[in-house]
Amino acid sequence: EPEVTQTPSHQVTQMGQEVILRCVPISNHLYFYWYRQILGQKVEFLVSFYNNEISEKSEIFDDQFSVERPDGSNFTLKIRSTKLEDSAMYFCASSKGDRGPGEQYFGPGTRLTVT
Amino acid sequence: QKEVEQDPGPLSVPEGAIVSLNCTYSNSAFQYFMWYRQYSRKGPELLMYTYSSGNKEDGRFTAQVDKSSKYISLFIRDSQPSDSATYLCAMSAGNFNKFYFGSGTKLNVKP
Repeated sequence: EPEVTQTPSHQVTQMGQEVILRCVPISNHLYFYWYRQILGQKVEFLVSFYNNEISEKSEIFDDQFSVERPDGSNFTLKIRSTKLEDSAMYFCASSKGDRGPGEQYFGPGTRLTVT
Repeated sequence: QKEVEQDPGPLSVPEGAIVSLNCTYSNSAFQYFMWYRQYSRKGPELLMYTYSSGNKEDGRFTAQVDKSSKYISLFIRDSQPSDSATYLCAMSAGNFNKFYFGSGTKLNVKP
């Protein structure tokens, strides 16, 4: 069964450094998302991406964040200058879109630790 | 007022019990309603997906949506220890964009 994959599973970085989190969505999916989950808190929407552009972004997704689909398979989230409060699990999700927006499939997540 | 409210639990039940999990919401524009199961330090796993009001059944799981009350439920019949996880509700206004998640209810099914 196809699944969303994410790398790395755990990333440790120092405050102020840039990180790139990578995702490979399910191959025939068209809609892509990033979420984050701070430990013990709810899953929070960051950004959605369709047709090579951002569809919507949340208040969290400020100028420090960017997303890219550099080729036909990868979907990346870049944080330019990490802050301590960026420490969280980051989940990528994808959706085919043919059965409405609800059928999102999540990857296993990347745990980002900013020290 | 929070967009989506969900009782965090924990909810502890004996094996075989019927479990009822609920969420309330404030935005009447929500049309798509999802339930996810999340094991510790894993990604959310889609369980049920419903559009608008009504019921949907899949095996031991039944999802109900009452848009007039802004209330959704997930029922688990014949609960198993393997059902022990955090259950997240999520909803969307119907575009392919922002989803709103509840805080999750932690369920423990005791053998």
